[in-house]
Amino acid sequence: DQQVKQNSPSLSVQEGRISILNCDYTNSMFDYFLWYKKYPAEGPTFLISISSIKDKNEDGRFTVFLNKSAKHLSLHIVPSQPGDSAVYFCAASRYQTGANNLFFGTGTRLTVIP
Amino acid sequence: DVKVTQSSRYLVKRTGEKVFLECVQDMDHENMFWYRQDPGLGLRLIYFSYDVKMKEKGDIPEGYSVSREKKERFSLILESASTNQTSMYLCASTQVGGSSYNEQFFGPGTRLTVL
Repeated sequence: DQQVKQNSPSLSVQEGRISILNCDYTNSMFDYFLWYKKYPAEGPTFLISISSIKDKNEDGRFTVFLNKSAKHLSLHIVPSQPGDSAVYFCAASRYQTGANNLFFGTGTRLTVIP
Repeated sequence: DVKVTQSSRYLVKRTGEKVFLECVQDMDHENMFWYRQDPGLGLRLIYFSYDVKMKEKGDIPEGYSVSREKKERFSLILESASTNQTSMYLCASTQVGGSSYNEQFFGPGTRLTVL
């Protein structure tokens, strides 16, 4: 059962515009949410995160918004750049048997068109 | 810089073979993880380990086993490879209770093809 969902498998955006990637989750026990970015033939790299006690976190061009009542989070990239083209995974964290386990969404492939 | 390395980038094996995937991290992390990534399914946790010789099943442990004899090394074993285990395998590590971001650091992945 997929506890973290990314319903858009792909997104295309013009360079300079805003990219909005969405993520929904079902488990209210998640206490941290993260976004990872993945280029082909490389492992995912951490991008930005947000604690469940906050509703917004900003880091340069990247902002993550959390709506706990809707169990929804989104990643905004402004302005989008061609180098942002990658697969973005949303992940949610829950402490489980000695580790902070991550539950990943299925990913959204972002293409930024020059 | 945290470094997580995986023994092979590409691997081709035959059905029924025993396959070993090795992962090594150099940051003295307590926790290590094995995932597989498949199109349309994202990353799914196979096994994780929170200490030497300790292991826990993830979401899809069937057909796999793991070994953690040393803190820096976590091995994934396919006892008898099958074609449905063709996938990208990703190893990750993290410091327990350390970073408040619970950030996991990933290796580059091993693309395994089972014929």
